[in-house]
Amino acid sequence: DGGITQSPKYLFRKEGQNVTLSCEQNLNHDAMYWYRQDPGQGLRLIYYSQIVNDFQKGDIAEGYSVSREKKESFPLTVTSAQKNPTAFYLCASRRQPNYGYTFGSGTRLTVV
Amino acid sequence: GENVEQHPSTLSVQEGDSAVIKCTYSDSASNYFPWYKQELGKRPQLIIDIRSNVGEKKDQRIAVTLNKTAKHFSLHITETQPEDSAVYFCAASKGNNRLAFGKGNQVVVIP
Repeated sequence: DGGITQSPKYLFRKEGQNVTLSCEQNLNHDAMYWYRQDPGQGLRLIYYSQIVNDFQKGDIAEGYSVSREKKESFPLTVTSAQKNPTAFYLCASRRQPNYGYTFGSGTRLTVV
Repeated sequence: GENVEQHPSTLSVQEGDSAVIKCTYSDSASNYFPWYKQELGKRPQLIIDIRSNVGEKKDQRIAVTLNKTAKHFSLHITETQPEDSAVYFCAASKGNNRLAFGKGNQVVVIP
């Protein structure tokens, strides 16, 4: 997966449950990002982090939380406050400014 | 912030013909413009990018052109093949800012 690994590939969540999506990279990239993609839709930014122990809200942060305790890891928690969490979640990292993102292979989350 | 728009939303082409996707951006200070290809159920993959100090870049059957005055950039795919069928996203950024993505174009290559 080009050095960025997302797990699990598929995840099922019950109503009212919090779930955490894993994103790990061994590319030594400082910046990491979380996107949500709905069927036939573009990429919407949830949270991003440009350095360890710092992160910022994206365009649709409500109902989500993140942490960045290590450079390699940027987990995303989908909380029970997120009312419509069924989507394809993509994690990405970036080598440096003015370079493209490398994406992970994604996690498909479904509410059951 | 930066706003990127893509046109058309869906493009159908006959195999062997060329496909062109155009994106416009709003921030004249943007200086980095990548294109991503996403096949169904897969992750987006960077296929080509261009920086504001050049007007055109080619890589085999793919090329990108940039018009800074008009604030638009385009992806050109020549001699299209069925495996070119995918969603293509354009994006723009400046410096350390995050990439602003367009909503994507569905390209369908008809055999």
